[in-house]
Amino acid sequence: ETGVTQTPRHLVMGMTNKKSLKCEQHLGHNAMYWYKQSAKKPLELMFVYSLEERVENNSVPSRFSPECPNSSHLFLHLHTLQPEDSALYLCASSQDRTGSLGNQPQHFGDGTRLSIL
Amino acid sequence: SQQGEEDPQALSIQEGENATMNCSYKTSINNLQWYRQNSGRGLVHLILIRSNEREKHSGRLRVTLDTSKKSSSLLITASRAADTASYFCATVAGYGGSQGNLIFGKGTKLSVKP
Repeated sequence: ETGVTQTPRHLVMGMTNKKSLKCEQHLGHNAMYWYKQSAKKPLELMFVYSLEERVENNSVPSRFSPECPNSSHLFLHLHTLQPEDSALYLCASSQDRTGSLGNQPQHFGDGTRLSIL
Repeated sequence: SQQGEEDPQALSIQEGENATMNCSYKTSINNLQWYRQNSGRGLVHLILIRSNEREKHSGRLRVTLDTSKKSSSLLITASRAADTASYFCATVAGYGGSQGNLIFGKGTKLSVKP
């Protein structure tokens, strides 16, 4: 186990639904990330939180809304999604934000497989 | 923009053979990381090599870094069926608004046949 738990593992929702993805890390890390992984595309960084403050919003549509209530939990609230949003959503954490030195390994959860009908 | 790019996209070998995957990147780096992803699972950090290192070992893994060619390779020796996974290199964006973020390539899909 990586110490990062994501729920649910699978989610099927209609375009008008509202749902939330949850991520919890038990590693005492200060930085958390949301990534989107689509078939045949590189991993896309969506949001970065450092010490519960959002420090990066990578031009993500407003239908994705992150929330970080404390350093151990991260949510991704979803509403009125589109079919192209179907993907694997991965949460990760690192001791501190990666920083320009890039010397922080990231620990990933197993993701939520999201399918939009 | 994509920083790391793995080659080949897919690799199929027999158990016991060695597997070599390559990664090329575009800008100067401080270090480079390799990750593995098993089907339906998250990424697992394998190894980090710093820009002043040329080679690093971890068990059956050997990573090399050539900063003059902006490339790295991951060698898995004596492969096992359990090594079947996708392998990604990751570097850090050192400029602009994405400074400090890990940039992943599309990965190499390795299949090890028993």
